[in-house]
Amino acid sequence: GNSVTQMEGPVTLSEEAFLTINCTYTATGYPSLFWYVQYPGEGLQLLLKATKADDKGSNKGFEATYRKETTSFHLEKGSVQVSDSAVYFCALRSVIQGAQKLVFGQGTRLTINP
Amino acid sequence: KAGVTQTPRYLIKTRGQQVTLSCSPISGHRSVSWYQQTPGQGLQFLFEYFSETQRNKGNFPGRFSGRQFSNSRSEMNVSTLELGDSALYLCASSLLGQHQETQYFGPGTRLLVL
Repeated sequence: GNSVTQMEGPVTLSEEAFLTINCTYTATGYPSLFWYVQYPGEGLQLLLKATKADDKGSNKGFEATYRKETTSFHLEKGSVQVSDSAVYFCALRSVIQGAQKLVFGQGTRLTINP
Repeated sequence: KAGVTQTPRYLIKTRGQQVTLSCSPISGHRSVSWYQQTPGQGLQFLFEYFSETQRNKGNFPGRFSGRQFSNSRSEMNVSTLELGDSALYLCASSLLGQHQETQYFGPGTRLLVL
């Protein structure tokens, strides 16, 4: 079945550090890939997405490239801020015979210290 | 355009009771999905509705049910509540539920079962 594996957290960085959160997936067909972010006490917000191989999603300085050959969708940011502290979820979405759902990784808690 | 809204935001129930949660999707969106988020199991798919029909169901017992109305609003019901049903229940909507579409999440309903 479809599954997503994220790097274990929590991750703690200093402000302006480089961020990478690894995400790999297992799926049949050609899923769309997403990164969602969850701030304390809130629901999920879409951060970025990619719908086909070699697509690069980007938003708010975050980037991720859909790598079919390595089945990966790693999240990166060149210089993190305290306001980036949140939980990040990698997810895939596939539609089979009209039925679709998001499959999430376990989430990575990120804390940025000033 | 208003986002996905969920009511109530917080709920406390006791074991054995039943509960109904409500979700109003973004205007024009016809696909509504429900997810359960717990610290132990992470984010798990419950079900998806499109045009008042359940298209997909996750691996949850029959105590969990849902429905969708003609205006695309959706409700989920949990009967005979158990302690393990304590969770954040998230609703998400998208236009047609196709795999390239983004699912937009509501803030969630936090359910505590005592």
